[in-house]
Formats: sequence, C-alpha cells, structure tokens
Amino acid sequence: QVQLVQSGAEVKKPGASVKVSCEASGYTFTDYYIHWVRQAPGQGLEWMGWIKPDNGGTTYAQKFQGRVSLARDTSINTAYVEVSRLSSDDTAVYYCARETGGYSDHWGQGTLVTVSS
Amino acid sequence: QSALTQPPSASGSPGQSVTISCTGTSSDVGRYSYVSWYQQHPGKAPKLMIYEVTKRPSGVPDRFSGSKSGNTASLTVSGLQAEDEADYYCSSYAGRPYVFGTGTKVTVL
Repeated sequence: QVQLVQSGAEVKKPGASVKVSCEASGYTFTDYYIHWVRQAPGQGLEWMGWIKPDNGGTTYAQKFQGRVSLARDTSINTAYVEVSRLSSDDTAVYYCARETGGYSDHWGQGTLVTVSS
Repeated sequence: QSALTQPPSASGSPGQSVTISCTGTSSDVGRYSYVSWYQQHPGKAPKLMIYEVTKRPSGVPDRFSGSKSGNTASLTVSGLQAEDEADYYCSSYAGRPYVFGTGTKVTVL
C-alpha cells in the first residue's frame, strides 16, 4: 500500500535551517509529484511547492521562493523540504503529499517544526 | 495566489445535510475541473474526500458529494454523522501552483 513516512519533530532556533524528509513506498516514486504543505497552529493549510521526482523539477509558492528548497533522492525514494532563516512564523506541521492528476491522494503523517529561542 | 474563500463554520444535526462553499476566481476554480476536498480531524493529516469536482475515492461514503458552478465549488455532506465533525478544505489546481481554501469547521450538533 502507498505510504509516505516523514521524519520526526524538530526544535530549531530562529535563524537556523531545518530539513524534513518524506520516504515513499508502495508505488513508483518517480511517477508522481510530491507536494509540501504546512499548517501553523490553529491555522489552515498552506501550499509550499512541489517537486517532480523523475527530473527534480520544482515549483514554489511565491511566498517561499528563495527560502525553501525542495529536493529528492531517487535511490532511497525520499523527498525533502529545507526551510532556511527560520522565524517563529515557521512553527507549523509540515506535510508531504503525493499528487495524482490535480489532487493529493496520500499524505504523510506530518512533522512538527517548532522555532523557539 | 490568494486562498480560496470558505465560510469559517457550518453545522447541522445528525441526519441533516450541510453544504460548504469554496469561492475562487476564473484563474483557478472557474478554469479547471480539478477541485478537491479534504477532511481533517484534529491532530491528523488531511484525507481526500472528493477529487475532480465530483468524484469520490474508494472508501469515502456516498453521503459526500461535490459540485461546481462558475467560480464556486461546493461540498455537501448528507445524513450528517458524528464522525463528520472536522475541518474541511477545498483545493484547486491553478496551472501548477496549487491553492487551498481557508477551511470550514463542521460541527454536528
């Protein structure tokens, strides 16, 4: 069965960077886009960007361009999101999700990133 | 891209129906037949309930239905049950950037 398993919770200081991983299994990793979505405490879902695992192509939401980087390692079926220059506003649960033709049918369990001094 | 507009809350008694709207623009909801809806219970990841405006993934009860008219999509939950109490988000493909709705909390009275 399709599974997306994310790395564990992180606590970071302001100004630092964080990298969250998303390991895919149960399907051909390179056949589907991976999206990253975050959710601040008590807030809605915010789309961050996507990566095309077969060629590494990316698109970012305008808000995150220059501060967020998406990557993948096809040898281990894993996608990554890295957020730099963290501030308290980046405290959120970060989700990866598999896209199937315009919608996300499988989601990771989420990774809580807490930014605190 | 601006978030799609949803009402903050909706409610109904068990057995009743509730409809949630999702208003976008001619560049997203109005342009593409790629509107999807997600259910999210507290502390859980979103779950796909409707895709391509009207389609239900296997395992989703037929009490959930979707529609679209112009720049507004809608999710209807018929025969409300206690387990339907959750947050619901719409999403629209918008030419590769994606956009989510602001979210609606559904309360079963």
